[in-house]
Formats: sequence, structure tokens, C-alpha cells
Amino acid sequence: SYELTQPPSVSVSPGQTANITCSGDKLGDKYASWYQQKPGQSPVQVIYQDTKRPSGIPERFSGFNSGHTATLTISGTQGMDEADYYCQTWDSSAVVFGGGTKLTVL
Amino acid sequence: EVQLLESGGGLVQPGGSLTLSCAASGFTFSSYALSWVRQAPGKGLEWVSTISVTGITTYYAASAKGHFTISRDNSMNTLYLQMNRLRAEDTAVYYCAKGNDYYESSGYDFWGQGTLVTVSS
Repeated sequence: SYELTQPPSVSVSPGQTANITCSGDKLGDKYASWYQQKPGQSPVQVIYQDTKRPSGIPERFSGFNSGHTATLTISGTQGMDEADYYCQTWDSSAVVFGGGTKLTVL
Repeated sequence: EVQLLESGGGLVQPGGSLTLSCAASGFTFSSYALSWVRQAPGKGLEWVSTISVTGITTYYAASAKGHFTISRDNSMNTLYLQMNRLRAEDTAVYYCAKGNDYYESSGYDFWGQGTLVTVSS
């Protein structure tokens, strides 16, 4: 079955750029979405179809997907961005989530 | 405003059954694929099942195949998940999620608040 691999954790200083990667075989040939989840809350989509931001998502969130890796970039990271982030795609009639990355802003 | 309201969770003994419901509002229910996604305590997101706009086509994770059944009632704007032969490893918060568009392969732009299912004796 298809797998998506994310780093368990990423740390970033406030105001800096955070990059969270998601790797999968030929992932660039598929669409990737990204979700932010804060403790005790439901997930929120921050990127869909690789690069698109849903309404209400700040411009500092951007996405890119090529080759075997999708990347979520948070520019000018703020303390409120500290959360778990999950990538997701569709392969062979199944939804696949990455294992999640805990973003720490310190 | 899009709203997804799950219900039906609770404590159930191993081998028991539960049916989850997700009442939707604020969008044209029959125009979007829908899914159930679960999250075990302290764990990541796990896809459970997806259903097409008409309800004719369904998809299941290997862990759900054969003991969960997804369905929808487009006249009632409600999504369901019938869960049978429940096991301890099915313990999780179950989320209802709305697809970005018509296609089952789309991402999820809205999620419900989740309903907790606990399987324990």
C-alpha cells in the first residue's frame, strides 16, 4: 500500500520560515493536501491540490509538490502556527495520510 | 456556514456495534464526496471510508473493510458509518469530512468536531 513519510518534528524560530516535507513514490503525480491540527481541535485544511489555499488561510501558508516530495512552507511563522501538520493524497482508490509532523515555534 | 455534526459515539463492548451519524448543513450535500477519518488517542489521522456523491461507490481502508459500512441519505443531508464487530483498536475520535469537490480523490475542506468511540469491556 502507498505510504507518505513526514518528519516527526520540525522546530522554527518566530518570524522564520518552516518547511515540512512529505515523501511518497511519485507523489508529484498526485494531488497533495495539508492539514493543521491543534490540541483538542479538529483538523483544518491549509493547502489543497498542491498549492491552493482555502478561504481564510493566511498567505504565509504555501505548498509545492514535485517528484517524490510535497512541501508545506510557512513563511514568517507565528506562535499560533504551532500544531501538528498532516499531508494527504489519494492512491489506488484509497486516502493516505502522512504520519504527521509536530511543528514547534520557539 | 458549513456545519458537520457527528453523533452516535460512546462506550461499547468488544464485538458490539454502533452507528455514527453526521448531519450536514450549509452546502449542497449531494454534490460532494464525504469521508470518515479517525484518530486514536495520541495518534495520527487514519482514513476509514469514503462515499461518492450518489452513494453508489464506496471505498474502505483495509482496517474497515468487512466490518464497517458507509452510507449517505442525500434527502436527509446525513452521512452514516455502521460499525460492527468492534475491537479495542477501533477506539478513536471519528471525524466526518467534506470533500473539496465532487471527486472522491479530493482533499477535505471541512471537518466535524468528532465523536469518540471507546471499545472496552
